[in-house]
Amino acid sequence: AQSVTQLGSHVSVSEGALVLLRCNYSSSVPPYLFWYVQYPNQGLQLLLKYTSAATLVKGINGFEAEFKKSETSFHLTKPSAHMSDAAEYFCAVSDPGGGGTSYGKLTFGQGTILTVHP
Amino acid sequence: DGGITQSPKYLFRKEGQNVTLSCEQNLNHDAMYWYRQDPGQGLRLIYYSQIVNDFQKGDIAEGYSVSREKKESFPLTVTSAQKNPTAFYLCASSIGIRGYSPLHFGNGTRLTVT
Repeated sequence: AQSVTQLGSHVSVSEGALVLLRCNYSSSVPPYLFWYVQYPNQGLQLLLKYTSAATLVKGINGFEAEFKKSETSFHLTKPSAHMSDAAEYFCAVSDPGGGGTSYGKLTFGQGTILTVHP
Repeated sequence: DGGITQSPKYLFRKEGQNVTLSCEQNLNHDAMYWYRQDPGQGLRLIYYSQIVNDFQKGDIAEGYSVSREKKESFPLTVTSAQKNPTAFYLCASSIGIRGYSPLHFGNGTRLTVT
């Protein structure tokens, strides 16, 4: 069974500061990993995904994440926070599926709410 | 632009009534999903569908039903058997159900049952 743990349900940073949102996963097979962002009363939007290519993945809005197999981590970072980054962020892990049309179950973390102070 | 449309955005119902949430997509995606979101609990899968006329239960299917008569549409009915139906419901779609396919989400329906 796979699982995702996001460390810290709330993270607060100042505008211009580094953003670091932590995600650790467990999976019995090489996983696919995703970060999604959700603004209030909206759906989720894909930020970036890791699908076994480069371990450093660049996404939209200046975010990036690094897959570290030895640490089973996929932390999300952004060098300089902007007010518009305030949102809830979800890490998700899926397995490849059994083959053919088998469902690759997607498991979401509990979410981390990012607050950006002026 | 292609996307997923969920309607209505807000829905209020009395306890004991069934209610149907609409989800339509024009992305030509084969797979569609319904998730429930509660504060601090992430997203939990209710049902998913790989193709027309086929759907599978997710982790919390009790008290819910779905249909998939058209590729574009995947309505969710919250029945009176669902013990705690007040929540934010999200519909999503993907090209396929394999693990590498990212999900595209609608903007959700917030259901309040009193």
